[in-house]
Amino acid sequence: QVQLVESGGGVVQPGGSLRLSCAASGFTFSSYGMHWVRQAPGKGLEWVAFIRYDGSNKYYADSVKGRFTISRDNSKNTLYLQMNSLRAEDTAVYYCAKCRTTGTSAFDYWGQGTLVTVSS
Amino acid sequence: DIQMTQSPSSLSASVGDRVTITCQASQDISNYLNWYQQKPGKAPKLLIYDASNLETGVPSRFSGSGSGTDFTFTISSLQPEDIATYYCQQYDNLPITFGGGTKVEIK
Repeated sequence: QVQLVESGGGVVQPGGSLRLSCAASGFTFSSYGMHWVRQAPGKGLEWVAFIRYDGSNKYYADSVKGRFTISRDNSKNTLYLQMNSLRAEDTAVYYCAKCRTTGTSAFDYWGQGTLVTVSS
Repeated sequence: DIQMTQSPSSLSASVGDRVTITCQASQDISNYLNWYQQKPGKAPKLLIYDASNLETGVPSRFSGSGSGTDFTFTISSLQPEDIATYYCQQYDNLPITFGGGTKVEIK
């Protein structure tokens, strides 16, 4: 069965960095685009970034552009989110999510989420 | 960016009631509209994709309709396990955007 398991969250000071990982299993990881989505405490869902199946194209929300980098290692079935210059407003649960089809589409599987807290 | 206006923001209904949530896009998104259910402390779950297609394993009391800018999500007979927040999402254009959510409670 499909599984997505995030890790790497934690408490970081403003201006600091973190790298999130999302370990995928149960499907052909290299065939599907992947997303990161976040949810601030008590708030709605915010799309963060998308990477195509082969890593050839990457897209970002304006709120994280220039600070966050999405990447993937298809040999390790793992998705990453490098987060630099973190701000208090980046505090959220971060989810990785799989595209339902090989193109951009609905998110049919989500990880359990990892909490990032940016605080001094 | 495409704005997704979802209403109501919350509702209270009785078990067995028909529940309807609407989502309006700020521009034509064809049928590139999905619906998710999120229970407290859990990840979202895909219910409806491409406006009207029921995801595998999702009960048939959930349905979706619409195209262009106006979309509707319906629970035909509300069950206690349907207590959750529901989100619409467009993927016609990047950035992908979500509606603000509808919190569904039992009266």
